[in-house]
Amino acid sequence: GNSVTQMEGPVTLSEEAFLTINCTYTATGYPSLFWYVQYPGEGLQLLLKATKADDKGSNKGFEATYRKETTSFHLEKGSVQVSDSAVYFCALTANAGGTSYGKLTFGQGTILTVHP
Amino acid sequence: DAGVIQSPRHEVTEMGQEVTLRCKPISGHDYLFWYRQTMMRGLELLIYFNNNVPIDDSGMPEDRFSAKMPNASFSTLKIQPSEPRDSAVYFCASRQTGGVYGYTFGSGTRLTVV
Repeated sequence: GNSVTQMEGPVTLSEEAFLTINCTYTATGYPSLFWYVQYPGEGLQLLLKATKADDKGSNKGFEATYRKETTSFHLEKGSVQVSDSAVYFCALTANAGGTSYGKLTFGQGTILTVHP
Repeated sequence: DAGVIQSPRHEVTEMGQEVTLRCKPISGHDYLFWYRQTMMRGLELLIYFNNNVPIDDSGMPEDRFSAKMPNASFSTLKIQPSEPRDSAVYFCASRQTGGVYGYTFGSGTRLTVV
């Protein structure tokens, strides 16, 4: 079945540091890939997405590139802020035609804390 | 649109009691999902509906859990009887076929069973 593996957390950084959160996946066919963010006490919000190989998703200074050859979708940001402190989830959905179509499979989440 | 609306935001109940969680999806969305989030197991998909019909309930942990979607604008997740290990945050999410595949999540219901 489909699965998503994220780097172990928590991750603690100083403000303006560079961020990478690794994400690799296992899926049949060509899934769509997502990063979601969860701020304390809130639900998950879509941060960015990519629907085909070599696509780059970007939003709020975050970027991730769909790498089919390495089955990866690593999240990066060049300069983090305190307000970026949250839990980040990598996820995928199978494309149409598969039995998992429409269903999001999540990684375990990575807690990011940014200090001033 | 007000987004996905869940109620209540917090629920504290005693073991053995029935608990009902409610969700109103975004108008026009034809998929609805129930997730459970705990520190130990992360995010788990419990069940999802398409056009009000349950498609996959393999994540429902036990017969104590049941979910319904009587119409396109309302769904419930019921736990009867509740147990302390059911304590978690329960999220509802919806999406639209042909959309950008992203889900919209509600703010969740934090359930505590004592």
